[in-house]
Order: sequence, then structure tokens, then C-alpha cells
Amino acid sequence: AQKITQTQPGMFVQEKEAVTLDCTYDTSDPSYGLFWYKQPSSGEMIFLIYQGSYDQQNATEGRYSLNFQKARKSANLVISASQLGDSAMYFCAMRDTTPSKLTFGTGTRLQVTL
Amino acid sequence: KAGVTQTPRYLIKTRGQQVTLSCSPISGHRSVSWYQQTPGQGLQFLFEYFSETQRNKGNFPGRFSGRQFSNSRSEMNVSTLELGDSALYLCASSSLTSTETDTQYFGPGTRLTVL
Repeated sequence: AQKITQTQPGMFVQEKEAVTLDCTYDTSDPSYGLFWYKQPSSGEMIFLIYQGSYDQQNATEGRYSLNFQKARKSANLVISASQLGDSAMYFCAMRDTTPSKLTFGTGTRLQVTL
Repeated sequence: KAGVTQTPRYLIKTRGQQVTLSCSPISGHRSVSWYQQTPGQGLQFLFEYFSETQRNKGNFPGRFSGRQFSNSRSEMNVSTLELGDSALYLCASSSLTSTETDTQYFGPGTRLTVL
């Protein structure tokens, strides 16, 4: 069965610094997709970045990049130049054989400080 | 393009009642998925609808049901509410133009409290 593990329940980072949020996954399916979502206190899940299992390059979207290490089954999110508005819960998720079904990790609460 | 909308945003019900939540997907998106988020169980997949058909279902009791209309709008219903049904219910839509990049876009959620 597919599984997503996020081992950091909480992280602190100073404004303008970079931060890495860890995510490891487990699946036996050779084709899968990895996603990161941000959930502010309002509750809405905001899509940040996507990485396909066959993608040769790491995904990037503005200040977000995904450090994809397939052999290690890890898909860490890197946020560069952190801003106060980045304070939120961050979820790693995976889609494999079942279309439109995401399996989520437990999330990491990121707090950006001055 | 308007995002995913969910109504109502907040609901308070009592045990034994039933509730219906509504979700309007992004225009052009035909797939709608529902998730339940609780502090104890995290985010769990409920079911997914595509072209008015339920294609996938998570591990939830039969009290949880849903449907999708011809305009892709979806509703989910929970009957005989229990205290443990208190949760944030999130709806997500995707276009499914590619099996690889079917990114799901979420609505703001409906926060259900069962007393």
C-alpha cells in the first residue's frame, strides 16, 4: 500500500532564509505523482508543486522546488527566501494507481519568524 | 477562472441528523474528489466522481455517500451523524487531461461540527 511519511511535525525558519521540508514515500507502482500542498489556518489546500515519477528534472515553481531522489524515495520541498506568509501546514501527497485519489502525509507546520 | 467552491462553509448538526455538502468544481473539470480531515486521522480519501459515476471509494461506512450531476457539481451526504464525523470536508477537482498531471485543486472546505 502507498504511504507518505513526513517526520517533521514542526519547523521554524527565519524570514528570507531557505527551508527544506522532508517527505518520503512508499509505493510499488512504477508510475506515480508527488504533490505538495500548503494549508493556511483558513483550511483551504493550496497546490504548490508537482513531480512525476518519470520526470528527469526536479520541479520548480517560483520560490518552491522539489528535491526528488527516486532511489531514496524522497521528495523534499525547498522554499527559498521564506516570507511571513509562508507560515502554514505543508502536506506531501502521492497519487499512484488510483486516479484522483491522493494519499497524504501527516503534514509539517512551518512557522516563519522575523 | 473561478476556483472550487464549497457550500456551506460551516455547519453545526446534532447526532443522528443527516447533512448534505455541495461542491462546484473549476469550470471544465469533470473529476471531483472528497476528503475528510480530522486531527486524529489526518486527510483521508472519501470518494471520487467522474462523469456522474463513482469511480473510487475510500474506507468509509455506507453512511457516507455522494453523487455528481451533469454539470459536474457534486454533493456528499452523511446520514445518522456521529460525533466522530466532526471534520473539515474538502472537495477537489481535476481536469484529467493527462493521467500524469491530474493535479487536484481544492475548495475552502466545509467545517462540520456534530454535537
